[in-house]
Amino acid sequence: DSGVTQTPKHLITATGQRVTLRCSPRSGDLSVYWYQQSLDQGLQFLIQYYNGEERAKGNILERFSAQQFPDLHSELNLSSLELGDSALYFCASSSDIRDPINGQFFGPGTRLTVL
Amino acid sequence: EDKVVQSPLSLVVHEGDTVTLNCSYEVTNFRSLLWYKQEKKAPTFLFMLTSSGIEKKSGRLSSILDKKELFSILNITATQTGDSAVYLCAVVGWAGNQFYFGTGTSLTVIP
Repeated sequence: DSGVTQTPKHLITATGQRVTLRCSPRSGDLSVYWYQQSLDQGLQFLIQYYNGEERAKGNILERFSAQQFPDLHSELNLSSLELGDSALYFCASSSDIRDPINGQFFGPGTRLTVL
Repeated sequence: EDKVVQSPLSLVVHEGDTVTLNCSYEVTNFRSLLWYKQEKKAPTFLFMLTSSGIEKKSGRLSSILDKKELFSILNITATQTGDSAVYLCAVVGWAGNQFYFGTGTSLTVIP
């Protein structure tokens, strides 16, 4: 158990809908990262927050947004969902502001299926 | 275009063998390289490397970076069936703090 929690575990929804994925980092970790993993694209970095501020942005679509709250949990919002958004979404946390020199800990993931 | 290429794509070895996995990269303004192990679930962080020639070691796993030739290797000695997984390499660039992932090497260790 990494200490990172993600909810929900599975999510099935229809095209055009909006969903929110939630992540709670390990106790004491200020950095939260979001990743998307699909069969055809592999693991892709979406976005990183550190102590509530956006630190890095990857290939995150405009339909997607994220935020990190004062209690350090983070939410990833996906809107106008398309079939191609079906994937595993991982959250990870670390104590580092930049690169995870002290390690990076992944949650179990949320599996999103868009029908 | 920034990219990370891992090789081989897949390999199958017997328990006790030593394996070397490769990660080469072309990333603007390289900052760090990370290795992960992914079994059937979430990735597990293994190493972060920033300096050339300095080996990082954890048990039977070790990794080294060559910033001149733009690659890293991950060595696993005395492999065990529990080492069976996909090993992912990611490179972080200074520009935008982006992570670039390779497609991974699938390792299967048979008894």
